[in-house]
Amino acid sequence: GAVVSQHPSWVICKSGTSVKIECRSLDFQATTMFWYRQFPKQSLMLMATSNEGSKATYEQGVEKDKFLINHASLTLSTLTVTSAHPEDSSFYICSARNRQGAREAFFGQGTRLTVV
Amino acid sequence: GENVEQHPSTLSVQEGDSAVIKCTYSDSASNYFPWYKQELGKGPQLIIDIRSNVGEKKDQRIAVTLNKTAKHFSLHITETQPEDSAVYFCAAIRAGFQKLVFGTGTRLLVSP
Repeated sequence: GAVVSQHPSWVICKSGTSVKIECRSLDFQATTMFWYRQFPKQSLMLMATSNEGSKATYEQGVEKDKFLINHASLTLSTLTVTSAHPEDSSFYICSARNRQGAREAFFGQGTRLTVV
Repeated sequence: GENVEQHPSTLSVQEGDSAVIKCTYSDSASNYFPWYKQELGKGPQLIIDIRSNVGEKKDQRIAVTLNKTAKHFSLHITETQPEDSAVYFCAAIRAGFQKLVFGTGTRLLVSP
C-alpha cells in the first residue's frame, strides 16, 4: 500500500503556543488529504478535508481559525493548532488518497499532542 | 447522511479461534467498505476492503463479506494470533463522496 508519513509522532507544548503537524505522502501524489482527531477509546472524528491548492473544507463544529490546514503541494499537508489549550490534547491523524476518484485511503502514524 | 454501526465493542478469543466483527450501514448508495486495524499509539492500517459489486473477498486469514440487501458487512479472521490484538474499524463511503464514515471500533484481544 501507499505510505503516508506524519511528523512529529508526539509533541508537548505549552498553553498558548502553536504546533504544526506535517503529513507527507511518500510514494504517491495525494490529491486529497484528511485530518482526523481521535480521543482515547473512541473512533476517528473527521476534522477537515483538503484538496491540493484549495482551501480546506471543515466539518461542522471545527474552528478553522484554530486548526489551520495547508495543502500546498501534492505530497504535503500541514495542520497547525494555534493558541493550543489543554483541551486540544488529542491524537491527530492524517490520511490521503492517491488520485481523484480513488477509494482507498492510507493513514499516517498519528501525532500525540499534549498541551500543558 | 451515512451512519455505520459496529458490533461488538470488545471481543476476546483464544489463539487459534475465529473472530467475527459486524457492521451495518444506513446509506444504500455506499459502495466501498474498508476495514482498518489500529494498534495502540499508531494510525489505522488498511487490511482489507470490498466494493459493492462483490459479495466476498479473502486475503489469507482475513475475509470480508457484504450483504447489500441487508446493508451488512463483516470481517472474519481465522486462526487468530496474539498479534491480531488491536482495535478494528469498519468504514463506508458513498459513490461520489470523499468522506469515510467510520464505525465505533472493536477491541479484539487474542489470548495465547
